[in-house]
Order: sequence, then structure tokens, then C-alpha cells
Amino acid sequence: IAGITQAPTSQILAAGRRMTLRCTQDMRHNAMYWYRQDLGLGLRLIHYSNTAGTTGKGEVPDGYSVSRANTDDFPLTLASAVPSQTSVYFCASSERASGFLYNEQFFGPGTRLTVL
Amino acid sequence: QKEVEQNSGPLSVPEGAIASLNCTYSDRVSQSFFWYRQYSGKSPELIMSIYSNGDKEDGRFTAQLNKASQYVSLLIRDSQPSDSATYLCAVMSTSSASKIIFGSGTRLSIRP
Repeated sequence: IAGITQAPTSQILAAGRRMTLRCTQDMRHNAMYWYRQDLGLGLRLIHYSNTAGTTGKGEVPDGYSVSRANTDDFPLTLASAVPSQTSVYFCASSERASGFLYNEQFFGPGTRLTVL
Repeated sequence: QKEVEQNSGPLSVPEGAIASLNCTYSDRVSQSFFWYRQYSGKSPELIMSIYSNGDKEDGRFTAQLNKASQYVSLLIRDSQPSDSATYLCAVMSTSSASKIIFGSGTRLSIRP
């Protein structure tokens, strides 16, 4: 089934540990995104990539890094996790790069991360 | 002022009635508008996109866009219990470097 997969589904992590959230899409979409969703704050963009080999910062990039080595994969790394990074993380993709008019984004199932 | 504002709800609507969800945005030159449905514990699901003034209908859903008044709405006709979810309004705003900005969502509850 075409779509976006994320792993792990959930994770409990000790503060200070390094963690990589995985995201893979099989729709050959050009652009991919990472969001975090917190109660009362909605979805906030962390990082994005308009095409393989390029990345950009979103609204809340501090403490996170991304890479886009190929079209399908867009991992998100927390170098040294802190409790404020406890959240639900969603990966999304769109056929066109961000900024294009018809830029419908489709979301993966999410990763629930708890940092203690 | 938030860039995209929605009433958090909950909005309670009887089954079979029309549910009306509203969203206002601050960037006058915004061009793309989206409605997502999110069930509890699940990911957002795109249900409507609209790019020009007026109405766009898809089944029981109608999106309405009024750029002059800077609002976009979603109407759900013949509301069903399965429509109970949080509805997220999203706007592509040039003030945010053409990234999509999401509202915090309106929780809709359809009562039998």
C-alpha cells in the first residue's frame, strides 16, 4: 500500500540520549516534512526538504537535524534529547516543493516520543 | 495574533445536521487552504483543499473561501457520528516563507 511509514510507533527515551525517527515514503514525492504536535499548539514544522540533497529549517528546528540522502527517506535526529521534546512527531510529504500552489501534504502515522 | 485561528470547541452537532467549522488567517496574500481531519490518536488526513474564492464541494463536504474577509470554512452536511474528530485548518502563507501553517484545530462531536 502506497504511503508514508514511520518508525518507531512510540518510544520512551532518557534525557541526553540520541534518537533517530525514521520516515519513508513510496509515492516518489519531492518534498518531505517533519512536524511536532503538542496539545494546544497544533502542528509545528521542524524541518523540511524540497528535494533529495536539500533541507531547510522550519518554525522549531533547534535540537533537531535531518538529512535527505534519497527521495524516499527523511530521518529526524535528536542529538541529545530533552524533556521538552516529548511530543508526537509526524512526517509528511507532498508531490511539489513547499511554496507551490497545489501543495497537498500527506501524513504518516506518527511517532509518540516521551523524553524522561 | 495567531496566523491561523480556529475555535477549539468542542462543537456539538446533532446527527444529520450541518456542521460548520470556521477558520481565519492573518496573511492577506495566502494562496492555498486545506482542511484536515484528525481522529484521536491518529494522523491528520487531508479532506479538502481550496485555492480560489467561492465554494468547493466534495460529497458531504463543502469548503468555502473568502479571501477579502480572510476566512475559510468547512461545512459537513448530514453529519454522522464518524465525523466526530478534530478538524485542522491549514494555510500556505507567504509570510512564513510559503510553508503551510496549521491552526490548533476545532474538536467536533456529533451526537446521535
